[in-house]
Amino acid sequence: GAGVSQSPRYKVAKRGQDVALRCDPISGHVSLFWYQQALGQGPEFLTYFQNEAQLDKSGLPSDRFFAERPEGSVSTLKIQRTQQEDSAVYLCASSLRLAGFTDTQYFGPGTRLTVL
Amino acid sequence: DAKTTQPPSMDCAEGRAANLPCNHSTISGNEYVYWYRQIHSQGPQYIIHGLKNNETNEMASLIITEDRKSSTLILPHATLRDTAVYYCIVTNDKLVFGAGTILRVKS
Repeated sequence: GAGVSQSPRYKVAKRGQDVALRCDPISGHVSLFWYQQALGQGPEFLTYFQNEAQLDKSGLPSDRFFAERPEGSVSTLKIQRTQQEDSAVYLCASSLRLAGFTDTQYFGPGTRLTVL
Repeated sequence: DAKTTQPPSMDCAEGRAANLPCNHSTISGNEYVYWYRQIHSQGPQYIIHGLKNNETNEMASLIITEDRKSSTLILPHATLRDTAVYYCIVTNDKLVFGAGTILRVKS
């Protein structure tokens, strides 16, 4: 069956450019999560949606980061005025129920962002 | 969330059991123990989770000590495809990934 998909898989941006990363969760999954994974480290939580509602954005590192999920399915993570420290793999995960964090999360393959 | 301590790396012979330890001495009563793994260039994959009792599924077994201060993930017959970073996470809220244990399965 189809898992979580993310696009693009790789993105190279010049410093100062805006980027948009897309996540297609598993069909019917209520909860959606974004994580940032720097090289050699574990993923770090960015934000969490329950349907279209963004319930937790405590992990977003700055106001340059913005996420949305307007129809409760596909989500987009936007980074404005990219900086070199934004270079990382951005992971999306979805889970079936409203249990949020404690429900099993299914991860996509990630988008590797390189900012030059 | 309680902090976890895992060895940075472990080796295991193919076909043998892999036993991955995790210490979580500050775990609180409502926190679960989760295990995820991440194969190179892929997203993390859920393995198993538990609260107090030992758990088993098609992938692994989770043994939690009676005082809940430590746990062990057991892969009963490790294969080369089990080579990955294994994360032990203790939480009742967000998943907080540490550095994990790099498990290398060798033929």
